[in-house]
Amino acid sequence: GEDVEQSLFLSVREGDSSVINCTYTDSSSTYLYWYKQEPGAGLQLLTYIFSNMDMKQDQRLTVLLNKKDKHLSLRIADTQTGDSAIYFCAESMGGGSYIPTFGRGTSLIVHP
Amino acid sequence: DVKVTQSSRYLVKRTGEKVFLECVQDMDHENMFWYRQDPGLGLRLIYFSYDVKMKEKGDIPEGYSVSREKKERFSLILESASTNQTSMYLCASSFRGEQYFGPGTRLTVT
Repeated sequence: GEDVEQSLFLSVREGDSSVINCTYTDSSSTYLYWYKQEPGAGLQLLTYIFSNMDMKQDQRLTVLLNKKDKHLSLRIADTQTGDSAIYFCAESMGGGSYIPTFGRGTSLIVHP
Repeated sequence: DVKVTQSSRYLVKRTGEKVFLECVQDMDHENMFWYRQDPGLGLRLIYFSYDVKMKEKGDIPEGYSVSREKKERFSLILESASTNQTSMYLCASSFRGEQYFGPGTRLTVT
């Protein structure tokens, strides 16, 4: 069945780059997403990439997709303390239901 | 901006009580979802709905039911709350796979 894997924790120093990694198993995934969850809040869609793309950049965020290895990464440049949150990777096949499969989330801790 | 609201941020109920969690979205989305989130387990899908009066079971529907009488409103019902249903409950609506989440309801069952 479908599976999305992420490491549980990442700790970085403020100002450094953060790279959060994700692997997925469903080769028919069409959409790949990154969500951010701040403490006590719901999930917020950060960015997404279509499976026919290799890279997408949006200000400090860079998403890289290696479709052959089924590997997705989110790079946050110049990481700030406000970036501390849980980051979820998700994939979906598209179609009428668009039900995503989520990873368990990576807790990013940014030290001053 | 899409807005998804949930009726309560925090809720404390007793074992055996019937519990209603309400979710409302304002973007005319057809798809709506209920998840529960537990530490180390990520998000688990309880139920989802494609349209009014339509519902489908997710991965963990046992002990829950849902109601969708109007397009904008999706309710999660715990028929007889149990302590193992203590959790964070997240509602979402979606358009083309982009999910928009409410702030969550932290339910404690004592």
